[in-house]
Amino acid sequence: QLVESGGRLVQPGGSLRLSCVVSGFTVTTYEMNWVRQAPGKGLQWVSYTTGSGDTKAYADSVQGRFIISSDNAKNSLYLQMDSLRVDDTAIYYCVTTELWWGRGTLVTVSS
Amino acid sequence: DIQMTQSPSTLSASVGERVTITCRASQSIGKYLAWYQQKPGRAPKLLIYQASRLETGVPSRFSGSGSGTEFTLTISSLQPDDFATYYCHQCYSYWTFGQGTKVELK
Repeated sequence: QLVESGGRLVQPGGSLRLSCVVSGFTVTTYEMNWVRQAPGKGLQWVSYTTGSGDTKAYADSVQGRFIISSDNAKNSLYLQMDSLRVDDTAIYYCVTTELWWGRGTLVTVSS
Repeated sequence: DIQMTQSPSTLSASVGERVTITCRASQSIGKYLAWYQQKPGRAPKLLIYQASRLETGVPSRFSGSGSGTEFTLTISSLQPDDFATYYCHQCYSYWTFGQGTKVELK
């Protein structure tokens, strides 16, 4: 099971950290992704990490602003989001490479 | 980046009809393709993985085929619960998704 949290209303230029608490497996032994979906739009991959964290990747649209990480002790995946823009508004899902999805958390960037 | 072109964007069909959705990759992705169903306010639901493997619990009226660059999702007999939006998803090289196909009642 994957449960995301941390989404809320934030002003443009602000920061937010999303969390994804994992149960049933150890987060650092799985490759993990963040995927987002803007209101009324399709799915967009955001970021990827190996279980060890030695390889990470980001979509061009978030490169340099978002950081993916994981914590074995808390069995959680994170997405640190800085310099947020209006077009970052979306539901953010954490997803394993086995295609297990969480229910998502809504991030709204607006003044 | 691998681009995924999904068609049609909207499909009008009746209950009982056979429905086909196509997805084309900009380069070969082998069988690294999944299909999802999504309903409003819900997370995507995995239907098919590895192009043709049916996810546990998914009705057998759903099937997937293809490899390389051309893929198809078929619903053999459309049911009332199947009216939704469908997405293809390549997981060969990072991830990209098709634009989605909304299946609506004719």
